[in-house]
Amino acid sequence: GAVVSQHPSRVICKSGTSVKIECRSLDFQATTMFWYRQFPKQSLMLMATSNEGSKATYEQGVEKDKFLINHASLTLSTLTVTSAHPEDSSFYICSAGAGESEQFFGPGTRLTVL
Amino acid sequence: KQEVTQIPAALSVPEGENLVLNCSFTDSAIYNLQWFRQDPGKGLTSLLLIQSSQREQTSGRLNASLDKSSGRSTLYIAASQPGDSATYLCAVRETSGSRLTFGEGTQLTVNP
Repeated sequence: GAVVSQHPSRVICKSGTSVKIECRSLDFQATTMFWYRQFPKQSLMLMATSNEGSKATYEQGVEKDKFLINHASLTLSTLTVTSAHPEDSSFYICSAGAGESEQFFGPGTRLTVL
Repeated sequence: KQEVTQIPAALSVPEGENLVLNCSFTDSAIYNLQWFRQDPGKGLTSLLLIQSSQREQTSGRLNASLDKSSGRSTLYIAASQPGDSATYLCAVRETSGSRLTFGEGTQLTVNP
């Protein structure tokens, strides 16, 4: 299957700092990428849908000014958590669409905000 | 609003046993359904994808069925192994290219 990478895999930061997470589709072009968040022992919750060259579509309750998404190319989308706080600590996973029927997921990024 | 439910939430079985994981969804107008595996602290691995027009898909010891009209899917794992221990997630897609709605997952433990 198609490969999606995320960087970094793990990040620890101080409260108030901003953190950028990259999601790359390595062997295919993805016009749409999705960003999910997963809290311990819970399922994945969609945060936003990222479309190449246009603004992201955010799910209800997700602050677009706090979670900045940029999808500048067909192989790269970034999620920036601005002014991170401990409650933002979570596992962030991206996925990329290969064609219209299947999504491939990245390995995830563990964010810990102290 | 689509809701996906998985039963049971956790399952512990001895090695070699055949088992079934259940997934149900409230809106039967789906485009496809996907089963994933997630190991602790890791991302998702796609196991099987069933299009809305299909009844089942098989890959090795895994067989997934889909009954769209009743809003149900099952994942059958034959001859379970300790390496099958993981959380299994079911997700539905309502239209082509749209986002996935996930269930809460079933945490499977296969004991040697």
